[in-house]
Amino acid sequence: GAGVSQSPSNKVTEKGKDVELRCDPISGHTALYWYRQRLGQGLEFLIYFQGNSAPDKSGLPSDRFSAERTGESVSTLTIQRTQQEDSAVYLCASSRQSGGNYGYTFGSGTRLTVV
Amino acid sequence: KQEVTQIPAALSVPEGENLVLNCSFTDSAIYNLQWFRQDPGKGLTSLLLIQSSQREQTSGRLNASLDKSSGRSTLYIAASQPGDSATYLCAAFNQAGTALIFGKGTTLSVSS
Repeated sequence: GAGVSQSPSNKVTEKGKDVELRCDPISGHTALYWYRQRLGQGLEFLIYFQGNSAPDKSGLPSDRFSAERTGESVSTLTIQRTQQEDSAVYLCASSRQSGGNYGYTFGSGTRLTVV
Repeated sequence: KQEVTQIPAALSVPEGENLVLNCSFTDSAIYNLQWFRQDPGKGLTSLLLIQSSQREQTSGRLNASLDKSSGRSTLYIAASQPGDSATYLCAAFNQAGTALIFGKGTTLSVSS
């Protein structure tokens, strides 16, 4: 697609429920990233995928968070047993490849509210 | 571990002023640095990407510089306009070049 597409744009869920967020990167972009932005805070790196390589999961805050990506296609970020502190905007970005030579293109994000 | 700091956290200027936003990073072994703009309730828009071998990049009224030795980057905005009001984020790649590490941003308000 022309840009990075994220869905849903907004999600309200009850505490304890599982949620799944979707990111559709730009076609041909091999690198995909998930970030979290809490209200009034900076962006926190969560996870990075590069092609079929093992993902860098070093930013995931707990084992309730997981993400998948098959090849260079769509990625899903799953949060199990959601907590109120999980409320944030979850941003996805893709890049032509990793290695720092190409910039990121971000999606518009998913605003998650846990009540 | 790469850490990125942006000063000031907020800035208010009248229309027409030239201004400088500052960014510093702790690990000078960066691959490149990217400046973004974030409007309230929206995603990030890439403004400028400076490769580690470059010292500056320009786009319209924006000019970004990079000094790896001092661990600093600046974003210069010429002849500011109310439409420039937004949060400006600086991000440096980690040493592996795998992920951008973001500063907390400078929120700019330009009054007419």
